[in-house]
Amino acid sequence: GENVEQHPSTLSVQEGDSAVIKCTYSDSASNYFPWYKQELGKGPQLIIDIRSNVGEKKDQRIAVTLNKTAKHFSLHITETQPEDSAVYFCAASRAKAAGNKLTFGGGTRVLVKP
Amino acid sequence: SQTIHQWPATLVQPVGSPLSLECTVEGTSNPNLYWYRQAAGRGLQLLFYSVGIGQISSEVPQNLSASRPQDRQFILSSKKLLLSDSGFYLCAWRTPGQGSANYGYTFGSGTRLTVV
Repeated sequence: GENVEQHPSTLSVQEGDSAVIKCTYSDSASNYFPWYKQELGKGPQLIIDIRSNVGEKKDQRIAVTLNKTAKHFSLHITETQPEDSAVYFCAASRAKAAGNKLTFGGGTRVLVKP
Repeated sequence: SQTIHQWPATLVQPVGSPLSLECTVEGTSNPNLYWYRQAAGRGLQLLFYSVGIGQISSEVPQNLSASRPQDRQFILSSKKLLLSDSGFYLCAWRTPGQGSANYGYTFGSGTRLTVV
């Protein structure tokens, strides 16, 4: 089955700096890669996603890049703000996966220091 | 629009007591449904998923069970809770079939379960 590894597990950045989280996946058939943000005590929320026919996607201060050859994708947050502090999860899935399941990475705790 | 409801938000239960957590989805038909557990400061562990009424798949053997009595209702249960069942329980839904290639999960707000 699919295996997704996420690094780093914790990330501390100064407000205004950039944050980068990297994920690798094992199943070359995976074609959908979402990123979730989980604030303390809440359920994860989808913040951006990318499909395998696209190499990069941006949404304001957030961007995701995908390298299908190397089987890795990354989340980039620019001009970080204190409200970006949260746990971020990457995930991967492929068409016709059993139960249409997403496979999640282990999560990255991001702390933005003011 | 689609919404997902999960309750209760918090629960404190004694060891050996039963458990019932409920999740309902509105605004969609035949969703894929999922139960996840998250230990403090840890990742997301898939417990059960369901692709249709009465169809339950278990990902890990444990003290819990799940049921889907109606299309948009997913219930997580236990007959006798253990201390190790404490955690943050999340329900999620996803568009089935081809739609799953374009959409991720939508999570509920979670239930914080403390077994004492």
